[in-house]
Amino acid sequence: AQSVSQHNHHVILSEAASLELGCNYSYGGTVNLFWYVQYPGQHLQLLLKYFSGDPLVKGIKGFEAEFIKSKFSFNLRKPSVQWSDTAEYFCAVNADVGGGADGLTFGKGTHLIIQP
Amino acid sequence: GAGVSQSPSNKVTEKGKDVELRCDPISGHTALYWYRQSLGQGLEFLIYFQGNSAPDKSGLPSDRFSAERTGGSVSTLTIQRTQQEDSAVYLCASSSGPARSYEQYFGPGTRLTVT
Repeated sequence: AQSVSQHNHHVILSEAASLELGCNYSYGGTVNLFWYVQYPGQHLQLLLKYFSGDPLVKGIKGFEAEFIKSKFSFNLRKPSVQWSDTAEYFCAVNADVGGGADGLTFGKGTHLIIQP
Repeated sequence: GAGVSQSPSNKVTEKGKDVELRCDPISGHTALYWYRQSLGQGLEFLIYFQGNSAPDKSGLPSDRFSAERTGGSVSTLTIQRTQQEDSAVYLCASSSGPARSYEQYFGPGTRLTVT
């Protein structure tokens, strides 16, 4: 079974700082990768996704992520964060194993706080 | 258009009682998923429906948990003889097709508290 590791559980940054949140997964086959965000009091929303093609994917609100297959990583980046980026960020994996195993495996999440 | 809706938004129940949680997916979405979000375990996959059938029940934590989907639309997650460890936020998601090709849209969740 696949697993997802998010190494940073809590991150505190000042506005305009650059952001990189780590995500590593364990599965040797084809994977689909996602970053979801949960703003305070709101439900999970998709930031970006990787299915195939260009390993550098761009999402909403200026976020991007790079899939590095050799490192089993899918780190989330943003060059300049804003106070409104304060939220919980989740990395998720769906392994293309077929047979109906279509649930997402989530990391534990990273709580990001942006200080004005 | 309307997103995924869930009801109730909050449910407090006594240990040992049965509860039913409801999910209305986005219209036309064939795939439906249930997840559980708790402090200790993070986000866990519970069950997946394609149409009315559930090819993957591997995530259900025990036989006290069951789910059904009727008419390819509404789904109900039932927890029998609730225990305190069942306290969590139960999330529903839907998608146009299987997760390997389509993104999932999440509902606001049902916060279940077992006293």
